[in-house]
Amino acid sequence: AQTVTQSQPEMSVQEAETVTLSCTYDTSESDYYLFWYKQPPSRQMILVIRQEAYKQQNATENRFSVNFQKAAKSFSLKISDSQLGDAAMYFCAYRRNFGNEKLTFGTGTRLTIIP
Amino acid sequence: EAGVTQSPTHLIKTRGQQATLRCSPISGHTSVYWYQQALGLGLQFLLWYDEGEERNRGNFPPRFSGRQFPNYSSELNVNALELEDSALYLCASSLIGGGNQPQHFGDGTRLSIL
Repeated sequence: AQTVTQSQPEMSVQEAETVTLSCTYDTSESDYYLFWYKQPPSRQMILVIRQEAYKQQNATENRFSVNFQKAAKSFSLKISDSQLGDAAMYFCAYRRNFGNEKLTFGTGTRLTIIP
Repeated sequence: EAGVTQSPTHLIKTRGQQATLRCSPISGHTSVYWYQQALGLGLQFLLWYDEGEERNRGNFPPRFSGRQFPNYSSELNVNALELEDSALYLCASSLIGGGNQPQHFGDGTRLSIL
């Protein structure tokens, strides 16, 4: 079974600074996707960024980028120029590339932005 | 384009009662997923429906069930409610295809068991 671990229950960062959220996962599959979702107090889960396991190049979306280390099964999220609107719970998720498989989530990291 | 919509926003029940939660997917999406987010825990996969069929279910007892209608909307039914069923229930939808098809989430239904 696949597992996703987020070892940082809470993180904080000064506004405009950079923060990195950690995620590790365990799987015996070779073909899969990794995701970061953001859940603000409004409750809706919002897709931040995704990474295909077969792509060596790290994904980037504006101020958000990932450091994907397949051999180490590590998938960290870097947020640059942190903004107050980035405050939220961040969830790392895994999904194998077979049909429309379920997402397996970590327990989340609560990110606080300090003005 | 309308997103995934869930109703009701909040549902209060007592132990032993039954709850029905509803979800309307994004237009064109055929797959609907249900997740449970209990306090302090991550999201746990409950059920996956596609084209009206249950495709997969998570490690939950049979009193958690659901269905998908011809218009791809879905219901989650929870029978014989227990206190530990109190949680945020999130619905997601996606297009059919491989794992790269992202799941889009609704705002959830907060189920409170008294």
